[in-house]
Amino acid sequence: RKEVEQDPGPFNVPEGATVAFNCTYSNSASQSFFWYRQDCRKEPKLLMSVYSSGNEDGRFTAQLNRASQYISLLIRDSKLSDSATYLCVVTPLGTGGGNKLTFGTGTQLKVEL
Amino acid sequence: GAVVSQHPSRVICKSGTSVKIECRSLDFQATTMFWYRQFPKQSLMLMATSNEGSKATYEQGVEKDKFLINHASLTLSTLTVTSAHPEDSSFYICSARDRRGHSNSPLHFGNGTRLTVT
Repeated sequence: RKEVEQDPGPFNVPEGATVAFNCTYSNSASQSFFWYRQDCRKEPKLLMSVYSSGNEDGRFTAQLNRASQYISLLIRDSKLSDSATYLCVVTPLGTGGGNKLTFGTGTQLKVEL
Repeated sequence: GAVVSQHPSRVICKSGTSVKIECRSLDFQATTMFWYRQFPKQSLMLMATSNEGSKATYEQGVEKDKFLINHASLTLSTLTVTSAHPEDSSFYICSARDRRGHSNSPLHFGNGTRLTVT
């Protein structure tokens, strides 16, 4: 089983739609969680950290469910510019856990007119 | 915001040659930098952790003699792919964290280097 699993998609949605991605992780001792965005052939860019209490940043809402070991990302009112691959990222405990990021393969989102 | 510069962004080299990739933190100091590799449609995979003033730590399965890492200053780490082969063709990305940040603060990524070995 992969350490971090995501549905690769693609998710094709119309502009203005709400779309949600889930990500599951296998290490129950995982410490920190992030969503990164990666545009085609570019480096990942931090979208938002994910906190236990859930957090919102504009149209984006992230939630963490430690009991079920998954995190989610909700995008409301999708824009064409949201088209990208969304990477779920986890830092495990141990072996310098705070420094090592484990990436999911990403979920591709395509927002269409 | 924090910026990490990676150079070159794209390189094409012949099989058997060596390629050096530089990663610089422009407005912060980093005692640790990380080198990742990403093959098409796959995850970023950590290759090694570069430590300023000491030896790099390599992940299992990554040959330290093939991927030479040097972290001579708090703002520069280099990755040299020696005797490159076509299977080394990939997207290499470095990342760094401000040394003043806590261990769970996000990493800042360079813009990546797309290596093609012919």
